[in-house]
Amino acid sequence: GAGVSQSPSNKVTEKGKDVELRCDPISGHTALYWYRQSLGQGLEFLIYFQGNSAPDKSGLPSDRFSAERTGGSVSTLTIQRTQQEDSAVYLCASSQLTGFNEKLFFGSGTQLSVL
Amino acid sequence: QKEVEQDPGPLSVPEGAIVSLNCTYSNSAFQYFMWYRQYSRKGPELLMYTYSSGNKEDGRFTAQVDKSSKYISLFIRDSQPSDSATYLCAMPLGAGNMLTFGGGTRLMVKP
Repeated sequence: GAGVSQSPSNKVTEKGKDVELRCDPISGHTALYWYRQSLGQGLEFLIYFQGNSAPDKSGLPSDRFSAERTGGSVSTLTIQRTQQEDSAVYLCASSQLTGFNEKLFFGSGTQLSVL
Repeated sequence: QKEVEQDPGPLSVPEGAIVSLNCTYSNSAFQYFMWYRQYSRKGPELLMYTYSSGNKEDGRFTAQVDKSSKYISLFIRDSQPSDSATYLCAMPLGAGNMLTFGGGTRLMVKP
């Protein structure tokens, strides 16, 4: 596709359930990033991938959060045993490389609501 | 204290006004400074970036960096209703282009 695609666009779940969020980056982009945006908060870095490997997982808020990327393309962010504080917009971005001035292209995000 | 601070607004201006959006930051290691624009229910998009101190102009937009004060600004001339959005400053730190974002300033330009 022409841009970064995320699915679903909206997800409502019950506390304690697991959720999977999907990101399709721009074709050919080697770097992929996950951010979280809570109401009134800035974007919070979660994790990034260079190819299929994740050199830095320090941004993941707890061990309930995990992410993987396969084939250097699609990535999945999984949240286990969701809590109400997990409610946020989860944004995925990709870039061709990982240099400091590389432009990030963001998807429209997944709005996660945990009831 | 957050590494990057922005006034959340909202900032409401009439069409045609000059807008000044600002960020302060605490980490003197930041070298690149970016401005992203985010429309409602969309992901952020890169508007401008500058390296180190100084000014950079792109059409109606001017980005200004003052590293001595740890203060960056985005000026919008002849503001338009289509400029209504949230503006986020961001700085990369460390490997992998991980960005630290400010909380964003919501701008509303009234026709």
